[in-house]
Amino acid sequence: DFVMTQSPDSLAVSLGERATINCNSSQSVLYSSNDKNYLAWYQQKPGQPPKLLIYWASTRQSGVPDRFSGSGSGTDFALTISSLQAEDVAVYYCQQYYSTPRTFGQGTKLEIK
Amino acid sequence: QVQLQESGPGLVKPSETLSLTCIVSGGSVNSDSHYWSWIRQPPGKRLEWIGYIYGSGSTYYNPSLKSRVTMSVDTSKNQLSLRLSSVTAADTAVYYCVRGACNLSCYQHYHFDVWGRGTLVTVSS
Repeated sequence: DFVMTQSPDSLAVSLGERATINCNSSQSVLYSSNDKNYLAWYQQKPGQPPKLLIYWASTRQSGVPDRFSGSGSGTDFALTISSLQAEDVAVYYCQQYYSTPRTFGQGTKLEIK
Repeated sequence: QVQLQESGPGLVKPSETLSLTCIVSGGSVNSDSHYWSWIRQPPGKRLEWIGYIYGSGSTYYNPSLKSRVTMSVDTSKNQLSLRLSSVTAADTAVYYCVRGACNLSCYQHYHFDVWGRGTLVTVSS
């Protein structure tokens, strides 16, 4: 199985500051035939289901604010929030869809400092 | 806009079978560019993918759960079902019904784009 490891486990950032969450995959999720990284990011607020933020490692889902961006390739990825807003407090998960079984990171809890 | 609604017993006894349904509204389970998954989240743990099913009824299960899982689809009711047998306390979790995107004919699967609100199932005597 692909093991997805996120860092840090928790993060406290001041309002308006940048937040960066990292995700490492135990194997590459870059599909050579189409040069796409099969990686997604989700946001989960308390009491709610996960919500898709980013797919193909860097493509924002429709309606997601442009302060959210994804980067990386192969095995190392990052989710960046350029200017943290109060409504961004949540747990963030990365997930690979390169291989079955689909696997998720352990989650990173983002809080306001 | 597609919406997914899970339902089922909130409490199941150990060794019994967990049964959940998911009603799909605003879209068809027979979509050419989507597939359907069940994903669970034990309290305080990471999300765990259980498996997927197509509108045709073809399935693929997570090998870690394969011996206990059955997924099915009822196209006349536009709903999905999950059965998990011989449950233990380790199966206590919020269970989500989820839509996945895929290419035409779904020979390649992509990200999960629509999630139900989830239903908590507790395994306890």
